[in-house]
Parts: sequence; C-alpha cells; structure tokens
Amino acid sequence: GDSVTQMEGPVTLSEEAFLTINCTYTATGYPSLFWYVQYPGEGLQLLLKATKADDKGSNKGFEATYRKETTSFHLEKGSVQVSDSAVYFCAFWMDSSYKLIFGSGTRLLVRP
Amino acid sequence: DTGVSQNPRHKITKRGQNVTFRCDPISEHNRLYWYRQTLGQGPEFLTYFQNEAQLEKSRLLSDRFSAERPKGSFSTLEIQRTEQGDSAMYLCASSLVSTEAFFGQGTRLTVV
Repeated sequence: GDSVTQMEGPVTLSEEAFLTINCTYTATGYPSLFWYVQYPGEGLQLLLKATKADDKGSNKGFEATYRKETTSFHLEKGSVQVSDSAVYFCAFWMDSSYKLIFGSGTRLLVRP
Repeated sequence: DTGVSQNPRHKITKRGQNVTFRCDPISEHNRLYWYRQTLGQGPEFLTYFQNEAQLEKSRLLSDRFSAERPKGSFSTLEIQRTEQGDSAMYLCASSLVSTEAFFGQGTRLTVV
C-alpha cells in the first residue's frame, strides 16, 4: 500500500552543520510531495513542496528534489541553526486522493 | 491571522466522558480534514469534508467518533465515551481542492 519511509531520529547536529533527512515513498502513480515541520506543542507547518518529477522545493534554506526514479524526496539544508530543532515529516498525496500520507517523522536537534 | 484555528488547545477529560473539538478552516477553503497524531508518529487521516459533505469517514476509529461540518464552514469532532487510548493530538487541516493542506495547532486530548 501507499506509504512513506523516513530515516529514524533523533538527528543531532552542531550549529552550521549540513543536514540531510532521507525520505522515500511508495505510491501508485505520481504523487505531490511535501515536507512539514512541527515545533514542540504545535501543529504542522508546510515547509516545502514539489508536484512533479525533478521539481525542487525550497524554503528558509531547506531544499528537496522530487526524484521519480528513486521515489525519494530527501530534505537538505546547508547550515542548520538551533531554531531548526523540530520534527520533520515527509508526506505525499495523489491528485485523485483526498488525504496526505505521512512518514513517522524525524526529530532534529541542533546544538549551539 | 487567517490560518486554521482549533479550540480548545488542550482538553483533559475523565474516561467515559464525551468531548467535542472545533475547527475553523481558512475561509475560502472548501476541504476540511481531521487527523489524529499519537506520540512519536505521523498524523493519521480520520475523515474529510468537501463543503458540507462528508466524503470519507471510513477511517474514523470507531463509532464513538463522529464529525460534522453543518454549513460548510467550521467543523466539530466528537468523541463519545472516551477511553485512555483516545489520548492524542487531534489536528485539523483545510485546503482548496487539489492544493496543499494547511494545519491548525491541534487539540491535545488527555483522558485520565
């Protein structure tokens, strides 16, 4: 069935380090892909999206590229900040569908 | 701020009591979704509305759960005869058809 697999956390980095959070998906068709971020005690905020193969979504220094051949949508940031500490969720949905399918989330902790 | 609004933010209830949560979507959005999130997991789809019509409710967790959107604007999610296993974050989201969903801050339910 449709699913999202994310790398397990927590991911602990020092400030200004390079970040990669891996995400792969299983879907019948060509979904739209999303990264959401959740700060402690809060709801989810849309971080970035990509709607077709080879699209690159970007926001706040984060980037992810839609790779159809590897069914992946890895999240990257060149230099993380303490304020980036949060849980990051990869998700997708199909144009024919009505719901987002989420991964289990990856907690990021950035130390000063 | 015209984002998705959820009330209350926190609810503590005794086992066996009924609870009701409210969601006010972004005003021009015609789709409204309810998700449940347990600790350490990604959000799990429960149900959704397009305008006032509830188009998918098979994922509601039991017949103790029900949702309404009486005039195609705000929505309520009710849980009857709460159980400790119902303790979770309940998230509401809204969207236009076939666009990304925007989430509220959630209602955290604790059943004691």
